[in-house]
Amino acid sequence: AQTVTQSQPEMSVQEAETVTLSCTYDTSENNYYLFWYKQPPSRQMILVIRQEAYKQQNATENRFSVNFQKAAKSFSLKISDSQLGDTAMYFCAFMKHAGDDKIIFGKGTRLHILP
Amino acid sequence: EAGVAQSPRYKIIEKRQSVAFWCNPISGHATLYWYQQILGQGPKLLIQFQNNGVVDDSQLPKDRFSAERLKGVDSTLKIQPAKLEDSAVYLCASKVRLVSQETQYFGPGTRLLVL
Repeated sequence: AQTVTQSQPEMSVQEAETVTLSCTYDTSENNYYLFWYKQPPSRQMILVIRQEAYKQQNATENRFSVNFQKAAKSFSLKISDSQLGDTAMYFCAFMKHAGDDKIIFGKGTRLHILP
Repeated sequence: EAGVAQSPRYKIIEKRQSVAFWCNPISGHATLYWYQQILGQGPKLLIQFQNNGVVDDSQLPKDRFSAERLKGVDSTLKIQPAKLEDSAVYLCASKVRLVSQETQYFGPGTRLLVL
């Protein structure tokens, strides 16, 4: 069974700083997807970034980038030039590439961007 | 494009009562999911539909939970009778079709409090 672990329950950073959220996972699969989802206080879960395990290049989306280390089963999210609107819960998630498309979520990291 | 709609947004009931949640997915999305998100945890999949058929309900407590998607569009999730531990946010998500590459889009959720 797959598991996703986020070891940082809560983090705070000043606006405009860079912050990195950690995530590790466990799987015996070789092909899979990894995600970071953002859930602001409104509770609408929004996909931030997605990484396909067979791609060596780290995914980037504007100020968001990941550091994907397949051998170490690590998938961290870096937010550059953080903004107040980045305040939210962030969930790391895993999905197998083939078969069921069930998403396994971590417990989340609550991120506070301070003015 | 309208997003995933859910109602009600909040519901407070007493234990042993019944409750129902409604979800309207994005137009044209064949795949629909119901998740349970207990406070402090990531979402956990309860049931997955492809059109009006159930793909996965392995984590649905079938003695008290039921869900249907009769016409392959809207879906309802019912709890009867509710227990204290059912207090959670219930998220609905949808995607175009049952392939891994597609993105799941989430609704705002229904927050249930069982007293």
